[in-house]
Amino acid sequence: AQLVESGGGLVQPGGSLKLSCVASGFPFNSYALHWVRQAPGKGLDYISGISSNGGTRYHADPVKDRFSISRDDSKNTLFLQMDSLRLEDTAMYFCARDQRTYSYGYVALDLWGQGTMVTVSS
Amino acid sequence: EIVMTQSPVTLSVSPGERATFSCRASQSVGSDLAWYQQKPGQAPRLLIFGASSRATSIPARFSGTGSGTEFTLTISSLESEDFAVYFCQQYHDWPRAFGQGTKVEIK
Repeated sequence: AQLVESGGGLVQPGGSLKLSCVASGFPFNSYALHWVRQAPGKGLDYISGISSNGGTRYHADPVKDRFSISRDDSKNTLFLQMDSLRLEDTAMYFCARDQRTYSYGYVALDLWGQGTMVTVSS
Repeated sequence: EIVMTQSPVTLSVSPGERATFSCRASQSVGSDLAWYQQKPGQAPRLLIFGASSRATSIPARFSGTGSGTEFTLTISSLESEDFAVYFCQQYHDWPRAFGQGTKVEIK
């Protein structure tokens, strides 16, 4: 089982970026998935989650109304659309999987990608 | 919103010694508590879930205890690969908050 993120890069304040997380080695459509970020030298911040069927989504307050999580089960891919980016959004962005199927976040995160770096700077 | 607080921020320990550090929740999370280990440049790795159950392939020297608002992670005899940062996370309520981390460094 594996998660591989991509789509990070350098973007100006106010800009947009779309992150992807491609999954392999497990039944993608059976698992809730999440995005967690880590600013340089800092701790982990939970930002978004989506249920296995995509019907329930959560966004933490710092990103609500600016970021949107989605999934395409036909492509085994999780997305994070990031708009109106701010300097404080600079971080490594990790995708992660629920430990059990059909649990939508009420379990630990047992599989993580290696992350993709997002830098917001003028 | 539940706030997770870890202590100490840094713990200096010699190889072979025991390391114990804490995680406190601002309100009860039952046993919905996980511990993760993170090494520089790597993704977090799940160690403990359900406050006290070891994840797959995690050595027995790692143990977790607690429930409600007070939790502890113990490494019974530190090995060189255990020097890392450890985070707790509650998954009882949204957002799935993490503690700020405890860095275990070589004494």
